[in-house]
Amino acid sequence: ILNVEQSPQSLHVQEGDSTNFTCSFPSSNFYALHWYRWETAKSPEALFVMTLNGDEKKKGRISATLNTKEGYSYLYIKGSQPEDSATYLCARHNDYKLSFGAGTTVTVRA
Amino acid sequence: DAGVTQSPTHLIKTRGQHVTLRCSPISGHKSVSWYQQVLGQGPQFIFQYYEKEERGRGNFPDRFSARQFPNYSSELNVNALLLGDSALYLCASSLNVGLLDEQYFGPGTRLTVT
Repeated sequence: ILNVEQSPQSLHVQEGDSTNFTCSFPSSNFYALHWYRWETAKSPEALFVMTLNGDEKKKGRISATLNTKEGYSYLYIKGSQPEDSATYLCARHNDYKLSFGAGTTVTVRA
Repeated sequence: DAGVTQSPTHLIKTRGQHVTLRCSPISGHKSVSWYQQVLGQGPQFIFQYYEKEERGRGNFPDRFSARQFPNYSSELNVNALLLGDSALYLCASSLNVGLLDEQYFGPGTRLTVT
């Protein structure tokens, strides 16, 4: 894989259900992976930064895992709530810059 | 404490014109990065400045330039605007430039070129 890719592009989830989505990235020369949440009309908000293979981070109902050997990260939302509706971006840290995926847009239906 | 601020919020320019976008980082942050976000894509890296020096440049033409001032605020300049420059321009600041230094984003400047 040459670039950061996220799948699916969008998903709809019923309130209370759990969901997860994927970020794939080049595994060579890996430094760090960032996850951001971006709500409409707001600034992207940092969720996690992960550096080590096997890293797991958690913030409330949202958690993320990292596999640097195969080049992927999962983000999980447990018990989705309407306020979780946002675009979730992952970004690979390449020395001085972040290389972003196109994002996964999550819509939580009440 | 104030977050990253950007001005203006929205801007409409005509092809061929020049534009200056401004960014004020979080107090104490020494690094500012600029990103361009086109609908349907993730933000694309344009520049990073640290301690007033350019630390990195993305794959953008020379029409794009930037600078960082002694107070760590930054300007992004785009000359000879093209329709394709229409985008949301995001500024992000960080304390330093280490791997674990989070980049905090501003709300962006929406540039429309007609």
